[in-house]
Amino acid sequence: DAKTTQPTSMDCAEGRAANLPCNHSTISGNEYVYWYRQIHSQGPQYIIHGLKNNETNEMASLIITEDRKSSTLILPHATLRDTAVYYCIVRASNFGNEKLTFGTGTRLTIIP
Amino acid sequence: DARVTQTPRHKVTEMGQEVTMRCQPILGHNTVFWYRQTMMQGLELLAYFRNRAPLDDSGMPKDRFSAEMPDATLATLKIQPSEPRDSAVYFCASGSGTGYDEQYFGPGTRLTVT
Repeated sequence: DAKTTQPTSMDCAEGRAANLPCNHSTISGNEYVYWYRQIHSQGPQYIIHGLKNNETNEMASLIITEDRKSSTLILPHATLRDTAVYYCIVRASNFGNEKLTFGTGTRLTIIP
Repeated sequence: DARVTQTPRHKVTEMGQEVTMRCQPILGHNTVFWYRQTMMQGLELLAYFRNRAPLDDSGMPKDRFSAEMPDATLATLKIQPSEPRDSAVYFCASGSGTGYDEQYFGPGTRLTVT
């Protein structure tokens, strides 16, 4: 699976949009970009995933560049409950290769 | 609201004792994953199953760890004998097994081996 690079930490004001970047320059054509987050002391939580088109769900939006070498997770109106470690993971979407390889992630702190 | 459940939530044991952690995947999910999280190593996969058969256990120390799925509603992770370096949070996750679907994580078992 392709390696990802994320900033170690970020701050965002409550109510503003939080934009979390991720670089995955070695991504392959069949690899998806996944985002998970881990709120303190809880299990990781799925947020969103995409292949090449931008995706949006009730939690967030995922913007993937045209060359697919980087992406941005957007939390449109951050709340204090969004304080967590956010993981960007790239993995192929085939049977037998479903494991998630977690990096160190980005520690997002929402400031009141 | 379907959830992955794990028991026990906390376990403190002495070195050399056997530890068994249990996981109930979401009903209907056919893939089950065991991850371990430590401060030093972060989150790492230990093993995963599809339709109760092990697909990948390369992340698991074979001499002391074993993972099984006695039936579709129960996954177990055993450590025998336990060592202080096994102290970690152990997460179970399940998925519907489509190849690209998301994984749902349980709350974890916090293991402390003294």
